[in-house]
Amino acid sequence: EVQLLESGGGLVQPGESLRLSCAASGFTFSSYGMGWVRQAPGKGLEWVSAISGSGASTFYTDSVKGRFTISRDNPKNMLNLQMNSLRAEDTAKYYCAKESGFMEPFHYWGQGILVTVSS
Amino acid sequence: EVVLTQSPATLSLSPGERATLSCRASHSVSSYLAWYQQKPGQAPRLLIYGASNRATGIPARFSGSGSGTDFSLTISSLEPEDFGVYYCQQRSSGWTFGQGTKVEIK
Repeated sequence: EVQLLESGGGLVQPGESLRLSCAASGFTFSSYGMGWVRQAPGKGLEWVSAISGSGASTFYTDSVKGRFTISRDNPKNMLNLQMNSLRAEDTAKYYCAKESGFMEPFHYWGQGILVTVSS
Repeated sequence: EVVLTQSPATLSLSPGERATLSCRASHSVSSYLAWYQQKPGQAPRLLIYGASNRATGIPARFSGSGSGTDFSLTISSLEPEDFGVYYCQQRSSGWTFGQGTKVEIK
Protein backbone atom coordinates (compact mmCIF):
# COMPACT_ATOMS: atom_id res chain seq x y z
CA GLU A 1 0.00 0.00 0.00
CA VAL A 2 1.36 3.40 -1.02
CA GLN A 3 1.78 5.74 1.92
CA LEU A 4 3.00 9.32 1.92
CA LEU A 5 3.50 11.13 5.23
CA GLU A 6 4.41 14.80 5.34
CA SER A 7 6.21 16.49 8.24
CA GLY A 8 7.93 19.75 9.05
CA GLY A 9 5.11 22.25 8.79
CA GLY A 10 4.35 25.00 11.26
CA LEU A 11 4.16 28.73 11.92
CA VAL A 12 7.00 30.95 10.76
CA GLN A 13 7.49 34.66 10.25
CA PRO A 14 7.87 36.28 6.82
CA GLY A 15 11.40 35.87 5.51
CA GLU A 16 12.10 32.74 7.52
CA SER A 17 12.75 29.21 6.27
CA LEU A 18 11.09 25.84 6.67
CA ARG A 19 11.87 22.36 5.40
CA LEU A 20 9.10 19.93 4.56
CA SER A 21 9.69 16.22 4.30
CA CYS A 22 7.61 13.37 2.94
CA ALA A 23 8.28 9.79 3.98
CA ALA A 24 7.24 7.35 1.27
CA SER A 25 6.54 3.65 1.54
CA GLY A 26 4.83 0.85 -0.33
CA PHE A 27 6.53 1.34 -3.69
CA THR A 28 9.96 1.56 -5.33
CA PHE A 29 10.56 5.21 -4.53
CA SER A 30 13.38 5.87 -7.00
CA SER A 31 11.23 4.74 -9.93
CA TYR A 32 8.66 7.54 -9.71
CA GLY A 33 8.48 11.27 -10.08
CA MET A 34 7.20 13.12 -7.04
CA GLY A 35 5.76 16.54 -6.45
CA TRP A 36 4.40 19.10 -4.04
CA VAL A 37 0.98 20.69 -4.44
CA ARG A 38 -0.37 23.37 -2.12
CA GLN A 39 -3.77 24.70 -1.22
CA ALA A 40 -4.24 28.07 0.44
CA PRO A 41 -7.12 28.27 2.94
CA GLY A 42 -10.41 28.15 1.07
CA LYS A 43 -8.69 28.14 -2.33
CA GLY A 44 -7.95 25.66 -5.09
CA LEU A 45 -5.00 23.40 -5.79
CA GLU A 46 -1.72 24.88 -6.97
CA TRP A 47 1.20 22.83 -8.25
CA VAL A 48 4.44 23.95 -6.57
CA SER A 49 7.33 21.71 -7.59
CA ALA A 50 8.24 18.32 -9.02
CA ILE A 51 11.29 16.08 -9.28
CA SER A 52 12.15 13.12 -11.46
CA GLY A 53 12.73 9.66 -10.00
CA SER A 54 16.50 10.00 -10.18
CA GLY A 55 16.42 13.55 -8.82
CA ALA A 56 18.29 14.84 -11.86
CA SER A 57 15.40 17.01 -13.08
CA THR A 58 13.53 19.54 -10.97
CA PHE A 59 10.67 21.89 -11.79
CA TYR A 60 9.08 24.86 -10.04
CA THR A 61 6.14 27.16 -10.43
CA ASP A 62 7.27 30.72 -11.14
CA SER A 63 6.24 32.14 -7.77
CA VAL A 64 8.66 29.90 -5.84
CA LYS A 65 11.64 29.80 -8.22
CA GLY A 66 14.79 30.86 -6.43
CA ARG A 67 13.18 30.44 -3.00
CA PHE A 68 12.15 26.78 -2.84
CA THR A 69 14.33 23.73 -3.53
CA ILE A 70 12.96 20.24 -4.04
CA SER A 71 15.18 17.23 -3.42
CA ARG A 72 14.95 13.54 -2.71
CA ASP A 73 16.94 10.93 -0.82
CA ASN A 74 16.18 7.71 -2.65
CA PRO A 75 17.94 5.31 -0.24
CA LYS A 76 15.86 6.80 2.59
CA ASN A 77 12.62 7.07 0.56
CA MET A 78 12.32 10.75 1.45
CA LEU A 79 11.12 13.77 -0.52
CA ASN A 80 12.04 17.23 0.72
CA LEU A 81 11.04 20.82 0.05
CA GLN A 82 13.35 23.52 1.40
CA MET A 83 11.40 26.77 1.58
CA ASN A 84 13.36 29.99 2.05
CA SER A 85 12.30 33.65 2.17
CA LEU A 86 8.76 32.64 3.01
CA ARG A 87 5.93 35.06 2.31
CA ALA A 88 2.40 35.38 3.64
CA GLU A 89 1.12 34.10 0.30
CA ASP A 90 2.96 30.81 0.84
CA THR A 91 0.52 30.00 3.65
CA ALA A 92 -1.19 26.78 2.63
CA LYS A 93 -1.57 23.10 3.23
CA TYR A 94 1.24 21.36 1.32
CA TYR A 95 0.62 17.93 -0.17
CA CYS A 96 3.26 15.43 -1.18
CA ALA A 97 2.14 13.47 -4.24
CA LYS A 98 3.37 10.55 -6.36
CA GLU A 99 3.15 10.21 -10.11
CA SER A 100 2.62 6.80 -11.68
CA GLY A 101 4.72 7.24 -14.76
CA PHE A 102 6.15 9.73 -17.20
CA MET A 103 3.66 12.53 -17.81
CA GLU A 104 1.15 10.87 -15.54
CA PRO A 105 -0.91 12.79 -12.98
CA PHE A 106 -0.57 12.40 -9.24
CA HIS A 107 -2.11 9.03 -8.44
CA TYR A 108 -1.37 9.12 -4.71
CA TRP A 109 -1.38 11.96 -2.20
CA GLY A 110 -0.35 12.46 1.40
CA GLN A 111 -2.76 14.00 3.88
CA GLY A 112 -0.98 17.33 3.75
CA ILE A 113 0.87 19.54 6.21
CA LEU A 114 0.02 23.12 7.14
CA VAL A 115 2.48 25.95 6.65
CA THR A 116 1.53 29.33 8.08
CA VAL A 117 3.60 32.43 7.37
CA SER A 118 2.58 35.28 9.62
CA SER A 119 4.10 37.91 11.86
CA GLU B 1 1.77 28.10 -19.77
CA VAL B 2 -1.40 26.09 -20.20
CA VAL B 3 -4.39 27.63 -18.42
CA LEU B 4 -7.30 25.38 -17.50
CA THR B 5 -10.75 26.94 -17.12
CA GLN B 6 -13.46 24.92 -15.40
CA SER B 7 -17.19 25.53 -15.65
CA PRO B 8 -19.50 25.98 -14.00
CA ALA B 9 -18.01 27.24 -10.75
CA THR B 10 -20.84 25.61 -8.81
CA LEU B 11 -23.28 22.89 -9.78
CA SER B 12 -26.35 22.42 -7.59
CA LEU B 13 -27.94 19.02 -8.13
CA SER B 14 -29.96 16.38 -6.32
CA PRO B 15 -28.90 12.78 -5.69
CA GLY B 16 -29.69 10.66 -8.72
CA GLU B 17 -29.21 13.48 -11.19
CA ARG B 18 -26.55 13.57 -13.89
CA ALA B 19 -23.61 15.95 -13.48
CA THR B 20 -21.52 17.26 -16.35
CA LEU B 21 -18.39 19.28 -15.56
CA SER B 22 -16.30 21.06 -18.18
CA CYS B 23 -12.58 21.83 -18.41
CA ARG B 24 -11.16 23.90 -21.24
CA ALA B 25 -7.42 24.26 -21.93
CA SER B 26 -5.82 27.36 -23.43
CA HIS B 27 -3.60 25.14 -25.60
CA SER B 28 -3.95 21.55 -26.68
CA VAL B 29 -2.99 19.07 -23.98
CA SER B 30 -3.74 16.03 -26.15
CA SER B 31 -5.15 13.47 -23.70
CA TYR B 32 -2.91 14.42 -20.78
CA LEU B 33 -5.86 15.51 -18.66
CA ALA B 34 -6.87 14.21 -15.24
CA TRP B 35 -9.76 14.79 -12.87
CA TYR B 36 -9.64 14.80 -9.07
CA GLN B 37 -12.29 14.87 -6.38
CA GLN B 38 -11.70 16.63 -3.08
CA LYS B 39 -13.93 16.54 -0.03
CA PRO B 40 -13.58 18.95 2.91
CA GLY B 41 -10.56 18.21 5.04
CA GLN B 42 -9.32 15.48 2.72
CA ALA B 43 -6.56 15.15 0.17
CA PRO B 44 -7.56 15.10 -3.50
CA ARG B 45 -8.37 11.70 -4.99
CA LEU B 46 -7.57 10.83 -8.60
CA LEU B 47 -10.69 9.87 -10.55
CA ILE B 48 -9.72 9.98 -14.23
CA TYR B 49 -6.38 10.05 -16.05
CA GLY B 50 -5.53 10.13 -19.73
CA ALA B 51 -8.82 12.02 -20.22
CA SER B 52 -10.97 8.90 -20.05
CA ASN B 53 -9.36 6.20 -17.92
CA ARG B 54 -10.82 5.54 -14.49
CA ALA B 55 -8.31 5.24 -11.69
CA THR B 56 -8.23 2.15 -9.52
CA GLY B 57 -11.37 1.72 -7.43
CA ILE B 58 -13.34 4.54 -9.07
CA PRO B 59 -17.00 3.62 -9.71
CA ALA B 60 -18.26 3.27 -13.26
CA ARG B 61 -20.68 6.21 -12.81
CA PHE B 62 -17.65 8.48 -13.29
CA SER B 63 -16.56 8.94 -16.90
CA GLY B 64 -14.26 11.34 -18.69
CA SER B 65 -14.12 12.40 -22.30
CA GLY B 66 -12.45 14.85 -24.63
CA SER B 67 -9.07 15.59 -26.17
CA GLY B 68 -7.11 18.61 -27.27
CA THR B 69 -8.67 21.58 -25.48
CA ASP B 70 -12.17 20.51 -24.42
CA PHE B 71 -12.85 17.92 -21.75
CA SER B 72 -15.72 16.81 -19.59
CA LEU B 73 -16.31 14.74 -16.49
CA THR B 74 -19.72 13.09 -16.19
CA ILE B 75 -21.23 11.54 -13.10
CA SER B 76 -24.14 9.52 -14.45
CA SER B 77 -26.22 9.41 -11.26
CA LEU B 78 -25.05 11.41 -8.25
CA GLU B 79 -24.59 9.55 -4.99
CA PRO B 80 -24.51 11.45 -1.66
CA GLU B 81 -20.76 10.79 -1.36
CA ASP B 82 -20.07 12.47 -4.73
CA PHE B 83 -20.63 16.00 -3.48
CA GLY B 84 -17.42 17.98 -3.20
CA VAL B 85 -15.01 19.95 -5.38
CA TYR B 86 -13.67 18.60 -8.66
CA TYR B 87 -10.42 19.74 -10.28
CA CYS B 88 -8.97 19.06 -13.68
CA GLN B 89 -5.20 18.95 -14.20
CA GLN B 90 -3.07 18.87 -17.31
CA ARG B 91 0.24 17.05 -17.61
CA SER B 92 1.06 17.84 -21.24
CA SER B 93 3.23 20.87 -20.54
CA GLY B 94 4.29 21.03 -16.94
CA TRP B 95 1.58 20.81 -14.31
CA THR B 96 -1.55 23.00 -14.09
CA PHE B 97 -4.81 22.71 -12.19
CA GLY B 98 -8.15 24.24 -13.03
CA GLN B 99 -9.83 26.43 -10.43
CA GLY B 100 -12.37 23.76 -9.48
CA THR B 101 -16.09 23.07 -9.75
CA LYS B 102 -18.07 22.63 -6.57
CA VAL B 103 -20.84 20.04 -6.78
CA GLU B 104 -23.33 20.78 -4.03
CA ILE B 105 -26.59 19.29 -2.88
CA LYS B 106 -29.61 21.15 -4.23
